[in-house]
Amino acid sequence: DAGVIQSPRHEVTEMGQEVTLRCKPISGHNSLFWYRQTMMRGLELLIYFNNNVPIDDSGMPEDRFSAKMPNASFSTLKIQPSEPRDSAVYFCASSSALSVNEQFFGPGTRLTVL
Amino acid sequence: GNSVTQMEGPVTLSEEAFLTINCTYTATGYPSLFWYVQYPGEGLQLLLKATKADDKGSNKGFEATYRKETTSFHLEKGSVQVSDSAVYFCALPLGAGNNRKLIWGLGTSLAVNP
Repeated sequence: DAGVIQSPRHEVTEMGQEVTLRCKPISGHNSLFWYRQTMMRGLELLIYFNNNVPIDDSGMPEDRFSAKMPNASFSTLKIQPSEPRDSAVYFCASSSALSVNEQFFGPGTRLTVL
Repeated sequence: GNSVTQMEGPVTLSEEAFLTINCTYTATGYPSLFWYVQYPGEGLQLLLKATKADDKGSNKGFEATYRKETTSFHLEKGSVQVSDSAVYFCALPLGAGNNRKLIWGLGTSLAVNP
């Protein structure tokens, strides 16, 4: 079985540009999580969805960040406009209803904003 | 809500040394407890878990025992290898009614030298 798929794996952009990160969760999983990891702040939960519905977005830093899950097999995290402080590794994870706390992580997207 | 405190790193050991990474928690009830591992350049993956008090989780030579008396879930390995070099995260659910969201420790970096 394929694991969580994220794209792109690396993204370099300039300040002010729009960035879209993509995630395909494991088939059959009904919860999806977006995390950000930096050396300074560690691992932060940005938002999570259950059955495609956003449940908790309290970790979204500000209005520049938005996330969508139009269907059970796809989610996006958008940053517009991007800023250098958004540079981080962004992870997507998914979990199933049978084991809600066992999260399966994707390989991450390393974002660099110049 | 629940909380977790994890031993700070970095930890540097020689191959075949004994490893302990401390993790203590506060929780309502007896939630499941988890250790995740992040190898360089990868996403986190579940290492082991324990679902009730006195349970011992084990995987890849690592063990952790769910101790309610001391509210601890310390990670141990009797003989570490260079391939165990990674960052280790202790985690537990946020709390009742919101158990899809995990509370994460800050992570402990382990470097094993040959």
